[in-house]
Amino acid sequence: GAVVSQHPSWVICKSGTSVKIECRSLDFQATTMFWYRQFPKQSLMLMATSNEGSKATYEQGVEKDKFLINHASLTLSTLTVTSAHPEDSSFYICSARPNRETQYFGPGTRLLVL
Amino acid sequence: AQSVTQLDSHVSVSEGTPVLLRCNYSSSYSPSLFWYVQHPNKGLQLLLKYTSAATLVKGINGFEAEFKKSETSFHLTKPSAHMSDAAEYFCVVSDNTGFQKLVFGTGTRLLVSP
Repeated sequence: GAVVSQHPSWVICKSGTSVKIECRSLDFQATTMFWYRQFPKQSLMLMATSNEGSKATYEQGVEKDKFLINHASLTLSTLTVTSAHPEDSSFYICSARPNRETQYFGPGTRLLVL
Repeated sequence: AQSVTQLDSHVSVSEGTPVLLRCNYSSSYSPSLFWYVQHPNKGLQLLLKYTSAATLVKGINGFEAEFKKSETSFHLTKPSAHMSDAAEYFCVVSDNTGFQKLVFGTGTRLLVSP
């Protein structure tokens, strides 16, 4: 089946630094990718919709200047957490959509901000 | 707006006994509904989806779900649990418009004992 990868799988950083997370569709092209975050023992919350070649669409309450999304190609979207703080510690999951009916999820990136 | 409610945060069964994970949905129009499974350290995997075709949907690994409009339910079942079924299960609804964003339920953790 289709594969979506995320890199890194986990990252620890100091408060105030920025962290970039990559999401790649390995065997298909995705004009649309989604970014979610999942707090421990909670559900996935959609953060933003990333469209290749255009600006991302952010969900209500998500700071676009803090969570920078770039979808530079049909196989790569990046999420940069700028000036990370401990409350940004979470599990970040991306998904990629090869067509309107199908969505494949990455394995997730665990971020810990000290 | 679309939403799903998973009625149980945890379900415990013995290996070989039936599984029932309950989900109710709310949607202003005909929804697309999904069940995803999340194993530790693995990406979300699609078990099955309902898209207004047959109301009884068969998925992978012996799971199935029945769409009941009168009850606004989409419960997930399996006749006989296996140890490998232990995981977190999410009921998900799609908005069927625009980017078809997914809205996740809070999840049900399935525990399977020998």
